[in-house]
Amino acid sequence: QKEVEQDPGPLSVPEGAIVSLNCTYSNSAFQYFMWYRQYSRKGPELLMYTYSSGNKEDGRFTAQVDKSSKYISLFIRDSQPSDSATYLCAMSRSEGNKLVFGAGTILRVKS
Amino acid sequence: GAVVSQHPSRVICKSGTSVKIECRSLDFQATTMFWYRQFPKQSLMLMATSNEGSKATYEQGVEKDKFLINHASLTLSTLTVTSAHPEDSSFYICSARGGGVAGGAISDTQYFGPGTRLTVL
Repeated sequence: QKEVEQDPGPLSVPEGAIVSLNCTYSNSAFQYFMWYRQYSRKGPELLMYTYSSGNKEDGRFTAQVDKSSKYISLFIRDSQPSDSATYLCAMSRSEGNKLVFGAGTILRVKS
Repeated sequence: GAVVSQHPSRVICKSGTSVKIECRSLDFQATTMFWYRQFPKQSLMLMATSNEGSKATYEQGVEKDKFLINHASLTLSTLTVTSAHPEDSSFYICSARGGGVAGGAISDTQYFGPGTRLTVL
């Protein structure tokens, strides 16, 4: 069993839809949770960074962490074609420690 | 702030040659740099962690004599793929972590470079 599970998709939605991306994990020691966006043939770009459980909002993006269920989510409101990319969840046990990545979910937003 | 660059962005070389990839943190000092490789449609696989001025720590299964890492300064780390072979063809990505990111952004998380695509013929 992988430490971090993420559905690779692809997930295809119409423009304007609300997108929900999720990861589950098995290691309860993870404390720091991140979402990265990666365009084709580019390096990952940090989108959201959260510590422990709770919600965090930044513009059209909301990150949720439920440590009791070992489940994290990223919501994208009013999705745009420019949001089409691979979204990677990542987590670590301590701040600055090495990251464990999910497989990435391919998102396609159709105009 | 928190910009990381890589050079070259892509390289094609013959089998048996060595290739050096540079990773630079442009606006902050990176106490730690990480090197990853990524195969098509797969996630990032951590290869090694390097701290400035000390030897790199390699992940299990990564040959340290084949993938030489040097973290000579707080803004530069290099990965040298020695005697490259076609199976080394991949997308190599570095990330940098350091305190005091310019502009007061998140300190102590990883910021990624744009990646280097290596093709070994």
